[in-house]
Amino acid sequence: ELKVEQNPLFLSMQEGKNYTIYCNYSTTSDRLYWYRQDPGKSLESLFVLLSNGAVKQEGRLMASLDTKARLSTLHITAAVHDLSATYFCAVDPPNAGNMLTFGGGTRLMVKP
Amino acid sequence: NAGVTQTPKFQVLKTGQSMTLQCAQDMNHEYMSWYRQDPGMGLRLIHYSVGAGITDQGEVPNGYNVSRSTTEDFPLRLLSAAPSQTSVYFCASRVRDGGGSYEQYFGPGTRLTVT
Repeated sequence: ELKVEQNPLFLSMQEGKNYTIYCNYSTTSDRLYWYRQDPGKSLESLFVLLSNGAVKQEGRLMASLDTKARLSTLHITAAVHDLSATYFCAVDPPNAGNMLTFGGGTRLMVKP
Repeated sequence: NAGVTQTPKFQVLKTGQSMTLQCAQDMNHEYMSWYRQDPGMGLRLIHYSVGAGITDQGEVPNGYNVSRSTTEDFPLRLLSAAPSQTSVYFCASRVRDGGGSYEQYFGPGTRLTVT
């Protein structure tokens, strides 16, 4: 059974600080997704990582994928209040149809 | 292009009632799926479909049925609602493998309360 674990589950940061969210998964996969969810809203796609060593950046967020270590990271640079949300990673293992398996989420709170 | 749409947005049911959550997409995506999200948790897969006429079970299928008679629509039926089915339900779609994109598109969600 595929397991996807995120840590930390909750993160409170000051504006301007840097931090990293970790996503570990238990089976071979070279597709990993990062989503953002605001309270009461749907999921917004941030990044789709499709190969070992993939790195994508958008604004203050940068995601990377190490398929050998079965690890993805979401790095936040110089956090701002608008980044407050819950972030999910999800793994799409091969030959699993459309079965995304999600981590439990990291609730990020950025304080002014 | 409306993307993935879901109806209703909110629903309250009594235990034992049945209902259908509607999901439609206008992007001609082959793959569609249903997830549920419980408070403070990630999404869990209920059922999915890789094309019209083809469905399969996900991680938590009990108490739910699906069908896929057209590419556009993928309704989720609750057969006899139970309080444990109180959740937020999301529908998603994407092109098939090899279709050039692995982006998943999520609908706005349906908030269901079973009393």
